[in-house]
Amino acid sequence: NAGVTQTPKFQVLKTGQSMTLQCAQDMNHNSMYWYRQDPGMGLRLIHYSVGEGTTAKGEVPDGYNVSRLKKQNFLLGLESAAPSQTSVYFCASSYLALAGGSRETQYFGPGTRLLVL
Amino acid sequence: GENVEQHPSTLSVQEGDSAVIKCTYSDSASNYFPWYKQELGKRPQLIIDIRSNVGEKKDQRIAVTLNKTAKHFSLHITETQPEDSAVYFCAASTGGNTPLVFGKGTRLSVIA
Repeated sequence: NAGVTQTPKFQVLKTGQSMTLQCAQDMNHNSMYWYRQDPGMGLRLIHYSVGEGTTAKGEVPDGYNVSRLKKQNFLLGLESAAPSQTSVYFCASSYLALAGGSRETQYFGPGTRLLVL
Repeated sequence: GENVEQHPSTLSVQEGDSAVIKCTYSDSASNYFPWYKQELGKRPQLIIDIRSNVGEKKDQRIAVTLNKTAKHFSLHITETQPEDSAVYFCAASTGGNTPLVFGKGTRLSVIA
């Protein structure tokens, strides 16, 4: 199993450009998440999805959109990139056993380093 | 919503000493508390977690304690080694579909 994979690994954008960060998992997880990591700020949740076709906003959703058309894929879009979106982006996935509400480990992808000039 | 505070932000210890990182949470309904380790340039990885029906959990040199009354939990690393140097994140969740809320991290340096 590859686990959680992300593409691209590194990207440079100019202000105003758009792009899509891709995330895939092969663990049949129902929940997927997008975080951004900035120095001293920890991991901040951008958007998340608890199942195919459903998405929800996290702590810092402005400037981003997401889509979960397939269970194994979670896409993060930047419509008009800004320098404030320079960050490392991590995708993660987990399986939530709905019966009883137990939670299993959240697995992270290797990250995408984004630089917006 | 949930708020997780983590202290200290940086911690330096001599090799062989113990390290303790503390987190407090605000939502008394939180019931799941994982700890993640992130080495430089790598992804965060789970090292230990604890649920609200347990007060302490150990895994070799790592232990986590939970005080539900005071709403805080701690990571204890004994006999620290240079490879323990990393950023450690605590997190909390109320369960169900509620996402994890992370602390801001602690950079641990183990000095040989």
